[in-house]
Amino acid sequence: KAGVTQTPRYLIKTRGQQVTLSCSPISGHRSVSWYQQTPGQGLQFLFEYFSETQRNKGNFPGRFSGRQFSNSRSEMNVSTLELGDSALYLCASSSGDEQFFGPGTRLTVL
Amino acid sequence: GIQVEQSPPDLILQEGANSTLRCNFSDSVNNLQWFHQNPWGQLINLFYIPSGTKQNGRLSATTVATERYSLLYISSSQTTDSGVYFCAVERAGKSTFGDGTTLTVKP
Repeated sequence: KAGVTQTPRYLIKTRGQQVTLSCSPISGHRSVSWYQQTPGQGLQFLFEYFSETQRNKGNFPGRFSGRQFSNSRSEMNVSTLELGDSALYLCASSSGDEQFFGPGTRLTVL
Repeated sequence: GIQVEQSPPDLILQEGANSTLRCNFSDSVNNLQWFHQNPWGQLINLFYIPSGTKQNGRLSATTVATERYSLLYISSSQTTDSGVYFCAVERAGKSTFGDGTTLTVKP
């Protein structure tokens, strides 16, 4: 069974731009969660989608948004990028309680 | 929100040594997982262990939910065990990670 895939793997943007990251979960998994990892803040929960609905949300500003499609694939969008948004963005899929992570997208904001 | 503390923050071992990593959490949780993050950032599942004891080769884990802690044991460590080990707990639909333990195994 294929694992969680994320695209792109690396991305460079400039301040003020917006970015969209994509995550394809493990086949059959309906829950997708997103996390941000930075050296200063560690791994922080962004949001979780289940059956195309946002089920849980972390403490991030409204510039961070997401959606999930009927095939369970998910995208997250960050608008008006700031330097502090530079991070590794990780996606996890779950069919129950155990989460499985993708390789991440490393975003650099210049 | 729930607090997750991992100790020690850093650990340096000689190859072949054993180690114990600890994860304390401040409230009851539904789930607990241990991960190993490789140098490329990938989080590798080690254990899904909300309670009880599990073993997988040289690694084992124990969670005592009533006392709000979990332990990860690594025996006969190898250089490939180096990396950051994270504990993550889930409560009310939100996952919280500890700050991790950075393990360095020297040959």
